[in-house]
Amino acid sequence: QSVLTQSPSVSAAPGQKVTISCSGSSSNIGNNYVSWYQQLPGTAPKLLIYDNHKRPSGIPDRFSGSKSGTSATLDITGLQTGDEADYYCGTWDSSLRAGVFGGGTKLTVL
Amino acid sequence: EVQLVESGGGLVQPGGSRRLSCAASGFPFSSYEMNWVRQAPGKGLEWVSYISSSGNYQHYSDSVKGRFTISRDNAKSSLYLQMSSLRAEDTAVYYCAAAVTTYDAFDVWGQGTLVTVSS
Repeated sequence: QSVLTQSPSVSAAPGQKVTISCSGSSSNIGNNYVSWYQQLPGTAPKLLIYDNHKRPSGIPDRFSGSKSGTSATLDITGLQTGDEADYYCGTWDSSLRAGVFGGGTKLTVL
Repeated sequence: EVQLVESGGGLVQPGGSRRLSCAASGFPFSSYEMNWVRQAPGKGLEWVSYISSSGNYQHYSDSVKGRFTISRDNAKSSLYLQMSSLRAEDTAVYYCAAAVTTYDAFDVWGQGTLVTVSS
């Protein structure tokens, strides 16, 4: 059971928008920055979003993040077949003194 | 090029030990905190351990506390994970990860090394 809660799967058609949610608590999301990672099959995770909403260099603006209270969301617009991957949220938990990830959301682009 | 390369994975018997290494290049390793993250087959990411840039501070997940030890050699730009009393549930790909251009998000990952605990 992951400390952060994500829906197991989400799907949408090419060109559409999808929202992936991540729910936590005051000890993690509520008081720390959230990051989002994309993991394509057989590869290492790749940072998509950090500090709740910032994009690393090279990440297209189709990917955006936000945080409100103890929840965070990742929006992906203009879906492409290449976006099919697992997406994870992550942050630090101040009570556990540990890094925590969500269980991951599998995105299918129909 | 900023790079992390893990090594040391393989087949280990339950109760056994293994030492993983992570070689860093392309950035001033001694200035950055480092982490280990693992992923069991078909499962999600699990944070394992953290070490400060000096090596003076470490944190561990409850699942490995008391069995795993993280360390680093800044002179060699290397990170280590000493794993002991290994269990079947420790079977996973182990990644080293760093926040190089961000404050606390992992923007640099290694390719991972697979540890299989089985008799």
